[in-house]
Amino acid sequence: DAKTTQPPSMDCAEGRAANLPCNHSTISGNEYVYWYRQIHSQGPQYIIHGLKNNETNEMASLIITEDRKSSTLILPHATLRDTAVYYCIVRSGTASKLTFGTGTRLQVTL
Amino acid sequence: NAGVTQTPKFQVLKTGQSMTLQCAQDMNHNSMYWYRQDPGMGLRLIYYSASEGTTDKGEVPNGYNVSRLNKREFSLRLESAAPSQTSVYFCASSGVRGSNQPQHFGDGTRLSIL
Repeated sequence: DAKTTQPPSMDCAEGRAANLPCNHSTISGNEYVYWYRQIHSQGPQYIIHGLKNNETNEMASLIITEDRKSSTLILPHATLRDTAVYYCIVRSGTASKLTFGTGTRLQVTL
Repeated sequence: NAGVTQTPKFQVLKTGQSMTLQCAQDMNHNSMYWYRQDPGMGLRLIYYSASEGTTDKGEVPNGYNVSRLNKREFSLRLESAAPSQTSVYFCASSGVRGSNQPQHFGDGTRLSIL
């Protein structure tokens, strides 16, 4: 699975959009981009995933560049409850494991 | 809909004791996984089961055994616990292996070995 690079931390004001970047320059054609988050010491929570098209669900939007070498997770209206560590993971459909890196620690403030 | 349920939530063991961590999912998923997470680190795969009746080793299988009891349940056993196995253990499940379906996680079992 391709390696990902994320900033270690970011801050966002409550009510504003949080844009979390991820670089995955070695991604292969059959690999998907997944986003998870982990709030405090809870289990990782699935947010969204995509292959090459932009995706949106009730939690977030995923924007993948045309060359697929990077992506951005967008939380449109961040709240204090969105404070968490966000993980960008690249994985092929045949892979068994998810490889969690160190992620981005998002702090949402008043 | 409970999703993935893990029991117990907390446990303290003495070195050399044995224990089984339980995991059950109600999403009719085929694949199940056991991960461990050490402080300040990402999750590492211990064992997984692609389907009922099959199990395979992950990155860090030493000191653990697993049983896929049925489609719903996947247990992790520590035969002789060691302090190095102090960690938070997460169980996950997903749909058909080989698809892009995401894994869904339980809330974890926090295990301390003295």
